Amino acid sequence: GAGVSQTPSNKVTEKGKYVELRCDPISGHTALYWYRQSLGQGPEFLIYFQGTGAADDSGLPNDRFFAVRPEGSVSTLKIQRTERGDSAVYLCASSSQPAYEQYFGPGTRLTVT
Amino acid sequence: AQKVTQAQTEISVVEKEDVTLDCVYETRDTTYYLFWYKQPPSGELVFLIRRNSFDEQNEISGRYSWNFQKSTSSFNFTITASQVVDSAVYFCALSELGNAGNMLTFGGGTRLMVKP
Repeated sequence: GAGVSQTPSNKVTEKGKYVELRCDPISGHTALYWYRQSLGQGPEFLIYFQGTGAADDSGLPNDRFFAVRPEGSVSTLKIQRTERGDSAVYLCASSSQPAYEQYFGPGTRLTVT
Repeated sequence: AQKVTQAQTEISVVEKEDVTLDCVYETRDTTYYLFWYKQPPSGELVFLIRRNSFDEQNEISGRYSWNFQKSTSSFNFTITASQVVDSAVYFCALSELGNAGNMLTFGGGTRLMVKP
């Protein structure tokens, strides 16, 4: 079956611009997670959705970051006023239930120039 | 707070050698889950195994085996008879039942290079 998909695969933007990153989870998976992975490091948690609601957004670094999942399936991570420090690979994962294994998408590589 | 430490940043072996990747974790919860993921050069994280804190039985899957020891808070991963295709970054991760979403806390990863 289809795995987690993310678009775009690469995004280059200028400092100060707004970007949206999209995640399409595995069909039927109610739990959806966003992580951020900097070069040479492990992924770091950003936000978790159970259904349509953001159940835990404790990992979002500041209020420039926001994510939605309006219909309980596709999610969009939104970053306002991008900074060079936001450059990283943004990973999306889904699972059938919390605490079950998470399946990751290929990621979106964001470069802020 | 939870923490995962992978002290080996990089390991290089010759094909057919056995190799063990170390993982040490910290948690205050009594119920938690441990995971290993593989990240090949293509970049996509691949799920390998999930264990819960109440199941300390070692597990073997083909050339892969995992040793979970609560007494030392370790969850080590051994690849027997390594192959070039095993070259990747391997991540150990922890999730706590007490966290609403059971998000994963990852270690820093171990880069394994298997040379022919």
